Amino acid sequence: GDSVTQMEGPVTLSEEAFLTINCTYTATGYPSLFWYVQYPGEGLQLLLKATKADDKGSNKGFEATYRKETTSFHLEKGSVQVSDSAVYFCAPLMGTGNQFYFGTGTSLTVIP
Amino acid sequence: EAGVAQSPRYKIIEKRQSVAFWCNPISGHATLYWYQQILGQGPKLLIQFQNNGVVDDSQLPKDRFSAERLKGVDSTLKIQPAKLEDSAVYLCASRTAGHANTGELFFGEGSRLTVL
Repeated sequence: GDSVTQMEGPVTLSEEAFLTINCTYTATGYPSLFWYVQYPGEGLQLLLKATKADDKGSNKGFEATYRKETTSFHLEKGSVQVSDSAVYFCAPLMGTGNQFYFGTGTSLTVIP
Repeated sequence: EAGVAQSPRYKIIEKRQSVAFWCNPISGHATLYWYQQILGQGPKLLIQFQNNGVVDDSQLPKDRFSAERLKGVDSTLKIQPAKLEDSAVYLCASRTAGHANTGELFFGEGSRLTVL
């Protein structure tokens, strides 16, 4: 069945370090792919998305590329900041009912 | 544009009591979801509405959970009787139906339930 697997955390990085959070999915079709972020004390919000193969979503310095061949949508940022500390969720939109399948979330803490 | 509104923000009850959560989605959003987010986990879909009809409630524990969306606008999620394992944040989210495969999901701030 449809599912998503996300790299477990927590992840702790120093400011300006490179970030990768892995996400892979299993789907019968070609889902749209999303990353959501939850900052401390706030609700979930969209970070970026890609709707077809080879598309690259980007926002706030974060990027993720839709890789059909590896069914992956890894999140990357070249230089993290303290303000990036949050929980990140990979969320493919798939299934017969067009549902969002959320990963378990990866907690990121960036230290100065 | 007003966001997704949820109430109450916090609720503490004892097991076997009942509780209800309310959600008002963004105006014009035909699709409404209720998710359960247990601490340390990702949101898990409970029920999906399209206007006032149920699209998917396969993961809703129907012996104790119920939800309705009368008139296709706001929605209520009820738990009766509550169990300890129902302690979680209940998230309401909405999106437009016109972008079925690309439209983003807009979340409310959630209702945090603690069952003692």
